[in-house]
Amino acid sequence: AQSVTQLGSHVSVSEGALVLLRCNYSSSVPPYLFWYVQYPNQGLQLLLKYTSAATLVKGINGFEAEFKKSETSFHLTKPSAHMSDAAEYFCAVSLTGGGNKLTFGTGTQLKVEL
Amino acid sequence: DVKVTQSSRYLVKRTGEKVFLECVQDMDHENMFWYRQDPGLGLRLIYFSYDVKMKEKGDIPEGYSVSREKKERFSLILESASTNQTSMYLCASSLSPVTGALNQPQHFGDGTRLSIL
Repeated sequence: AQSVTQLGSHVSVSEGALVLLRCNYSSSVPPYLFWYVQYPNQGLQLLLKYTSAATLVKGINGFEAEFKKSETSFHLTKPSAHMSDAAEYFCAVSLTGGGNKLTFGTGTQLKVEL
Repeated sequence: DVKVTQSSRYLVKRTGEKVFLECVQDMDHENMFWYRQDPGLGLRLIYFSYDVKMKEKGDIPEGYSVSREKKERFSLILESASTNQTSMYLCASSLSPVTGALNQPQHFGDGTRLSIL
């Protein structure tokens, strides 16, 4: 069975600072990995997905994530935070042949301060 | 763009009522999913369906049932609502790995915030 751990349920950064949201997965087979963002009172929106074509994946809104197999990690970063990035972020994993079923982490609430 | 529409954004019901949550997608996706979202617990899968009239239990199916009579519509049913089912419910859809790539993302509706009094 696969699982996802997001370290830090709340992360606070200053506007313009680096954003780093951590995600570690456990899986006995190569996983498919996703990051989603949820703005207040909305559903989840796909930020990016790992495709195995490249370890560094670029997503929308300036976010990117790096797949590190040796560390079983897929951390999300953005060089410079903007106030509009304040939201909840979810990491998710899907197994090959799992019928696209996703297992989600518990989420990280990102706060951006002036 | 994929559009997943949930029939209600907010719903208030009483304990013991039978509650229906409706979800419609417009992209001919084979897979559809129902999750509940609670603070600190993330999203937990209730049921999913990979074809019309097909369904499989997710991680927390107790107290729920589903119906998929048409490909575009997936309904979640609370047979006898209880206060511990007060939550945000999210519907999602995706292409099947059979017809699309294995890493197909799920597309989400805006959610239904359900309160059981």
